[in-house]
Amino acid sequence: AQTVTQSQPEMSVQEAETVTLSCTYDTSESNYYLFWYKQPPSRQMILVIRQEAYKQQNATENRFSVNFQKAAKSFSLKISDSQLGDTAMYFCAFGSGTYKYIFGTGTRLKVLA
Amino acid sequence: DVKVTQSSRYLVKRTGEKVFLECVQDMDHENMFWYRQDPGLGLRLIYFSYDVKMKEKGDIPEGYSVSREKKERFSLILESASTNQTSMYLCASSLADRVSYEQYFGPGTRLTVT
Repeated sequence: AQTVTQSQPEMSVQEAETVTLSCTYDTSESNYYLFWYKQPPSRQMILVIRQEAYKQQNATENRFSVNFQKAAKSFSLKISDSQLGDTAMYFCAFGSGTYKYIFGTGTRLKVLA
Repeated sequence: DVKVTQSSRYLVKRTGEKVFLECVQDMDHENMFWYRQDPGLGLRLIYFSYDVKMKEKGDIPEGYSVSREKKERFSLILESASTNQTSMYLCASSLADRVSYEQYFGPGTRLTVT
């Protein structure tokens, strides 16, 4: 069975600094997708970034980038130039097959002014 | 913009009551999901539906049932609410057939069972 592990329950970062959130996963699948979702306080969860396992190149979306290490089964999220609006719960998720996601337990990130 | 709405943001029910949580999406998505979110446990899938009247159990279906009579609407039913069902419930939808597709989430319903 697939598992997703986020080992950092809480983190904080100063505004304008860079922070990296960790995620590891376990699977025997060869083709799958990895995601980072953001859940701001009292707001809806939204997709931050997505990585296809068969793509070597790390995904980037503006200030958000990932470090995807397939052999190590690691998928970390780097947030550059952190902003107060980045304060949120971040979930790593694994997807394979036709519909099912497995979510990690989340990392609560606080950006400090 | 994709919109996923849930019938209530906050709900308080008594033990033994029948509880209905409703979710509506406006993007003609085939897939709809109900998750339960608890601190330290992340999101756990209760049920999902890939078409009208079709459903499949997720990881924690015990104590819950679902109904999907129309494509845009997916209901979660707690037949007899218990205190251990106090939680945040999230609905999501996505296009069919591809796990690569983004899931769009509703705002959540925080249910308290007393």
